[in-house]
Amino acid sequence: GAVVSQHPSRVICKSGTSVKIECRSLDFQATTMFWYRQFPKQSLMLMATSNEGSKATYEQGVEKDKFLINHASLTLSTLTVTSAHPEDSSFYICSAIGRNTEAFFGQGTRLTVV
Amino acid sequence: AQSVTQPDIHITVSEGASLELRCNYSYGATPYLFWYVQSPGQGLQLLLKYFSGDTLVQGIKGFEAEFKRSQSSFNLRKPSVHWSDAAEYFCAVGAVAAGNKLTFGGGTRVLVKP
Repeated sequence: GAVVSQHPSRVICKSGTSVKIECRSLDFQATTMFWYRQFPKQSLMLMATSNEGSKATYEQGVEKDKFLINHASLTLSTLTVTSAHPEDSSFYICSAIGRNTEAFFGQGTRLTVV
Repeated sequence: AQSVTQPDIHITVSEGASLELRCNYSYGATPYLFWYVQSPGQGLQLLLKYFSGDTLVQGIKGFEAEFKRSQSSFNLRKPSVHWSDAAEYFCAVGAVAAGNKLTFGGGTRVLVKP
């Protein structure tokens, strides 16, 4: 199957700093990428949808100024958590969709804000 | 709006026994249905999917699922579980009309007893 690479897998940052998470589709062009957030022992909650070359569409309740999404190419989307706070600590997962509408998931990023 | 319900939060099964995980969905049209498995701290791996056609779908690792339109269900089964099947399982629904966004159920944690 197709491969989606997410980097970093773990990151620890101080409160007030910003963290960038990358999501790359390695062997296919992703028309759409999604960013999810997962709290411990809970399900995945969609944060936003990004399409290459256009602004991301955020789900209700997600602060677009805090979670900046850039989808500059068909193989790369980034999520930047700005001015991070401890409550932003979570597991973030991206997925990418190619032409056949199947979603492939990255391995996730464990963010810890101290 | 689409929604997914996984009634069982935890299931404990003996190794070698059969397993069935329940999934009920709500969507106006025929959705795309998926089952994913997640190991701790990892991303999601697709087990199987239903788009159309045969309602009994075979997946990887010996899993199968049956789409029952009349019951709005897409239950996952495995005849004989292995200790390595212990993980979190998520049912998800998506649709082209919804921009291919996936909505996840709450997940079912499977514990395997020796």
